[in-house]
Amino acid sequence: GENVEQHPSTLSVQEGDSAVIKCTYSDSASNYFPWYKQELGKRPQLIIDIRSNVGEKKDQRIAVTLNKTAKHFSLHITETQPEDSAVYFCAGKLAGSARQLTFGSGTQLTVLP
Amino acid sequence: NAGVTQTPKFRILKIGQSMTLQCTQDMNHNYMYWYRQDPGMGLKLIYYSVGAGITDKGEVPNGYNVSRSTTEDFPLRLELAAPSQTSVYFCASTGGQDEQFFGPGTRLTVL
Repeated sequence: GENVEQHPSTLSVQEGDSAVIKCTYSDSASNYFPWYKQELGKRPQLIIDIRSNVGEKKDQRIAVTLNKTAKHFSLHITETQPEDSAVYFCAGKLAGSARQLTFGSGTQLTVLP
Repeated sequence: NAGVTQTPKFRILKIGQSMTLQCTQDMNHNYMYWYRQDPGMGLKLIYYSVGAGITDKGEVPNGYNVSRSTTEDFPLRLELAAPSQTSVYFCASTGGQDEQFFGPGTRLTVL
């Protein structure tokens, strides 16, 4: 099955700086890669996703890049703000699966004021 | 739309007790999932369903059972609760676009 690894496990940045979180996946048949943000005690919520036919996607201060050859994808957050502090999870979905997601282990992002 | 709802929010069980975690979605999604999230960890898939009457095991199904008699409901049953089942349980659903929508979670403690 699919295996998704996520790094780093913790990340601290100064407010206004950029943050980058990286994930690698094992199965080249994966075709959908979402990123979820989870605030303390809350449910995971989708913040951005990318499909395998696209190399980059942006939404205001967040962007995701995908390198299919290397089987890795990254989340980029620019101009970080304190409210960006949360746990971020990447995930991958195998083509042809029952839309199952395999999640990374999460990154605790702390934005220091 | 309420989206995905779960009950209860919190529960404490004694070892050996049983309970059912309820999950309901009002988005007419065919696909539904149960995950558990241990402290500081990612989400592990317990069971999933691709439609009413169809369920299958995920990565960590031992100690759990599910049923899917309607499109809306996907209850998770814990038989003979064990301390290793202390976790936060999330139900999720998806329609035709792959995005999974999560419920608010049930925090379960087994003592």
